[in-house]
Amino acid sequence: NAGVMQNPRHLVRRRGQEARLRCSPMKGHSHVYWYRQLPEEGLKFMVYLQKENIIDESGMPKERFSAEFPKEGPSILRIQQVVRGDSAAYFCASSPLGDAEAFFGQGTRLTVV
Amino acid sequence: SQQGEEDPQALSIQEGENATMNCSYKTSINNLQWYRQNSGRGLVHLILIRSNEREKHSGRLRVTLDTSKKSSSLLITASRAADTASYFCATDATGANSKLTFGKGITLSVRP
Repeated sequence: NAGVMQNPRHLVRRRGQEARLRCSPMKGHSHVYWYRQLPEEGLKFMVYLQKENIIDESGMPKERFSAEFPKEGPSILRIQQVVRGDSAAYFCASSPLGDAEAFFGQGTRLTVV
Repeated sequence: SQQGEEDPQALSIQEGENATMNCSYKTSINNLQWYRQNSGRGLVHLILIRSNEREKHSGRLRVTLDTSKKSSSLLITASRAADTASYFCATDATGANSKLTFGKGITLSVRP
């Protein structure tokens, strides 16, 4: 049973470009969470999705950021018109139910140059 | 303000010693989870303790939870150099859709 798979592991984008981060949850997990980690800090919640639904996006910046978890395929975190401040590690976690262990992927390290 | 706050911020011990890390939080929780992160890597889930539990063990790990004090501790016994990492507590607050709130982490260094 493969763990949570995120790709790419490293992503470099120039300011103004778009970044697409993908997350495939563990088999049988229908709950997906995205977190962002700035250097030397803990993770900050961004968004919680179940298949085809956004449950909680209270941690998402109001502009440029969007997330989806389609019926088929991975969850996507999309950042439009990236800026230097978007440089961070983005982690995806999945769980089979709410109130259960959340298993994290290896993260995508986004660098905006 | 942080929901989960760990202390100390950094801990340096000798191999074989025990390491105790503490976490305090502010609101009522469903559960509290501890994670380990090696430098530049992903998070590894260590242990989950539910609000109705007081203590859990997993190998060399022992976690306690005191909901009256809103605090938890993680004890690593007989530490090894490979335990060197950052450790985070994360709380699943009641009514928070199971999203986790993380502290800033504790950097543990185990000297061989």
